[in-house]
Amino acid sequence: DVQVTQSPSSVAASVGDSVTITCRASQGIGSWLAWYQQKPGKAPQLIIYAASSLQTGVPSRFSGSESGTDFTLTISDLQPEDFATYYCQQGKSFPRTFGQGTKLEIK
Amino acid sequence: QVQLVESGGGVVQPGRSLRLSCAASGFSFSNYGMNWVRQTPGKGLEWVATISFHGSNKHYADSVKGRFSISRDNSKNIVLLQMNSLRPEDTALYFCARDHLAYYSDSSGYCDYWGQGTLVTVSS
Repeated sequence: DVQVTQSPSSVAASVGDSVTITCRASQGIGSWLAWYQQKPGKAPQLIIYAASSLQTGVPSRFSGSESGTDFTLTISDLQPEDFATYYCQQGKSFPRTFGQGTKLEIK
Repeated sequence: QVQLVESGGGVVQPGRSLRLSCAASGFSFSNYGMNWVRQTPGKGLEWVATISFHGSNKHYADSVKGRFSISRDNSKNIVLLQMNSLRPEDTALYFCARDHLAYYSDSSGYCDYWGQGTLVTVSS
């Protein structure tokens, strides 16, 4: 099974800052990685798929990148609505696996 | 617009069964793979099962294999999750989610639309 290790588990930032969240896959998964945003009491929302493709309707301040088995979600110019929990998920193989989540909090 | 509405959750004793249903609307349901993902209260996401658009390919998490069964009825636009031999560790909010892309023989890998979830509590 492919394991995805996400870090950090939490991060505090201010409106206007940039933050980076990382996921590392335990083996090669190509670009088969997605990022989701989840707000309290809500379902997850797909924001990035195929490592760097922005889902329709998602602001361009969200971006994804990859380097080997390391994947990064960057949120630039943080807005109040961006404070949420973020998860990565590999889509290369079954079982699908999610990262442990990163809670983005307001500093 | 795309809508996914789960139902069937509730409180059940260990060892008993429950069937979850997800009603889909606003898209060509028969063209998309469908998924169940669960979330333990206050914790992370766990993929549970996936069924291909034609229903021939099914995949399960090891934690539910042999106990849970996913199925679909493309004439009624519903996907089902039959849960047998339930355990306390199956307690979670269960989400139904659509595959990101249509027509993948297995699954396109990601989920773009999610329902609001139905809560399953396994407790004596």
